[in-house]
Amino acid sequence: GQNIDQPTEMTATEGAIVQINCTYQTSGFNGLFWYQQHAGEAPTFLSYNVLDGLEEKGRFSSFLSRSKGYSYLLLKELQMKDSASYLCAVIDSNYQLIWGAGTKLIIKP
Amino acid sequence: EAGVAQSPRYKIIEKRQSVAFWCNPISGHATLYWYQQILGQGPKLLIQFQNNGVVDDSQLPKDRFSAERLKGVDSTLKIQPAKLEDSAVYLCASSSQGTVEGYNEQFFGPGTRLTVL
Repeated sequence: GQNIDQPTEMTATEGAIVQINCTYQTSGFNGLFWYQQHAGEAPTFLSYNVLDGLEEKGRFSSFLSRSKGYSYLLLKELQMKDSASYLCAVIDSNYQLIWGAGTKLIIKP
Repeated sequence: EAGVAQSPRYKIIEKRQSVAFWCNPISGHATLYWYQQILGQGPKLLIQFQNNGVVDDSQLPKDRFSAERLKGVDSTLKIQPAKLEDSAVYLCASSSQGTVEGYNEQFFGPGTRLTVL
């Protein structure tokens, strides 16, 4: 079966750094997305990785290791507005998007 | 550019009633998706359209759910009759590329929050 694992919930402090991990077992791999979803709102695109390595975009970075079936999203200089759920999604061999359940990130002052 | 539009934003119905949701994707986007998202879970794909053809409806409960995209633009999702477990947010998304050409970012609408009593 296809499976994506993320921690259910994480807590971090404003101004700090947090790393949200995602491991996947899918039938094939054609890329990995990270989306941010604020409570009661639709998911919004954060990053896309298809090759191994780190992609940096401002305060957010995403890393991929295809051999390990592993990705992480790194958030720096945390702000209160970063409190949200972070969804990992993998494109499988049929180009279908498989979604994780999301990690709820709580930022404390 | 205008985003994905959905209506209504909220709907409350009793079980066994019918309900319909509407989605207007971003102009020019050939691929349209309907997702069901239950609180605390990731989105679950119900159906994917490429223009007005169905690409994947393997997780659509076809005994009660139906969807159409007649002219390859707007789409409607219907539930008839609704059950308590259908309470969820129904998200519509669109992208400019389909599964054959490759993959592109999905843009989501605001969703319709359905409560079945």
